[in-house]
Amino acid sequence: GESVGLHLPTLSVQEGDNSIINCAYSNSASDYFIWYKQESGKGPQFIIDIRSNMDKRQGQRVTVLLNKTVKHLSLQIAATQPGDSAVYFCAERGSSYKLIFGSGTRLLVRP
Amino acid sequence: DAGITQSPRHKVTETGTPVTLRCHQTENHRYMYWYRQDPGHGLRLIHYSYGVKDTDKGEVSDGYSVSRSKTEDFLLTLESATSSQTSVYFCAISTGMNTEAFFGQGTRLTVV
Repeated sequence: GESVGLHLPTLSVQEGDNSIINCAYSNSASDYFIWYKQESGKGPQFIIDIRSNMDKRQGQRVTVLLNKTVKHLSLQIAATQPGDSAVYFCAERGSSYKLIFGSGTRLLVRP
Repeated sequence: DAGITQSPRHKVTETGTPVTLRCHQTENHRYMYWYRQDPGHGLRLIHYSYGVKDTDKGEVSDGYSVSRSKTEDFLLTLESATSSQTSVYFCAISTGMNTEAFFGQGTRLTVV
């Protein structure tokens, strides 16, 4: 499969606990943000998105929070499960068509 | 993977040879992207396309060219492969600027 071993910040959580993964973005003009999950050997998988006119959006077990004042994005995962273990990336899109990714965080779920 | 096929999935090539990677989609999405993924760098945008024959450079476009002669195909060419281009390459597609991008399975390219 296609995966790359990355020297990434790692968040280790106990199964059943909530996880919070943070991301600082760079472009104050960015108006659209996405969180992706990447499992070993696979391409990034869409989790949830948020537009800049919102500060919170909820999905199934996931919540994204956007703080434009400090250019900060977070992903909250409720009741973390072993299947949530993966690398998580935030991505931002500015005034062009470019989708720019952050460097990622590895989430490890302890049984 | 949202109707995206990358080919080949694995390739080993020699320094100085040309290489072309293909991304094929069956979703009729307007936007297509090529990324590379390396340890310590996450995903970096190489080139993208916003329509047939409409392409532009991303963050790391040096040494790469692209072509999009029809909606479903986006080709990435390394004119003369170098060892620094050893990487995993991902293609992505999206319907619009403010919509999610869907990714292919990736191509592992090794330049020896």
